[in-house]
Amino acid sequence: KAGVTQTPRYLIKTRGQQVTLSCSPISGHRSVSWYQQTPGQGLQFLFEYFSETQRNKGNFPGRFSGRQFSNSRSEMNVSTLELGDSALYLCASSLALGANTGELFFGEGSRLTVL
Amino acid sequence: GDSVTQMEGPVTLSEEAFLTINCTYTATGYPSLFWYVQYPGEGLQLLLKATKADDKGSNKGFEATYRKETTSFHLEKGSVQVSDSAVYFCALIFNNAGNMLTFGGGTRLMVKP
Repeated sequence: KAGVTQTPRYLIKTRGQQVTLSCSPISGHRSVSWYQQTPGQGLQFLFEYFSETQRNKGNFPGRFSGRQFSNSRSEMNVSTLELGDSALYLCASSLALGANTGELFFGEGSRLTVL
Repeated sequence: GDSVTQMEGPVTLSEEAFLTINCTYTATGYPSLFWYVQYPGEGLQLLLKATKADDKGSNKGFEATYRKETTSFHLEKGSVQVSDSAVYFCALIFNNAGNMLTFGGGTRLMVKP
């Protein structure tokens, strides 16, 4: 069974640009969550999508957005990039069943560097 | 707001030593508690979980008990191996919060042969 696939794995952008990251969840998983990982702030929740609807949103500015497609694949977008957006962006998928709440399967991440 | 506090690392142990990584939480209510592990070059993996007070989660020789009275969920292993070297994250979630996990800062474990 294929795991969570994130693309691209590495990318470099300059301030002011925008970036789109992609995530393909495990087959059959309908929930996709995004997390930002930085040395200073650790792992922080960005948002979660379930059946193409945003279910939860973390405390990030509106420059961070996402969406989910009918096949459960998800994308997140960051506009007007700032130096502080440099981070590892992790995608996680889950079955989203009550008993499995919190049991996430993470991808290896997309490492974004903003210059 | 809700938060998770872990002991700072790195924790350096010799092979076969006893491991404890402390984790305490602050939350209004009774969350479910998790330990995730991040091996070098890999994504985060769920290690174990506990959903109510006094529950013990266990996996791969690791254990953690949900202690409501001390709001703690310390991770233990009786005999660590070099392959256990990784970063360990404690996390909590509430039942009505989807998959919105609140993570601790992570503790790096280094096991020397």
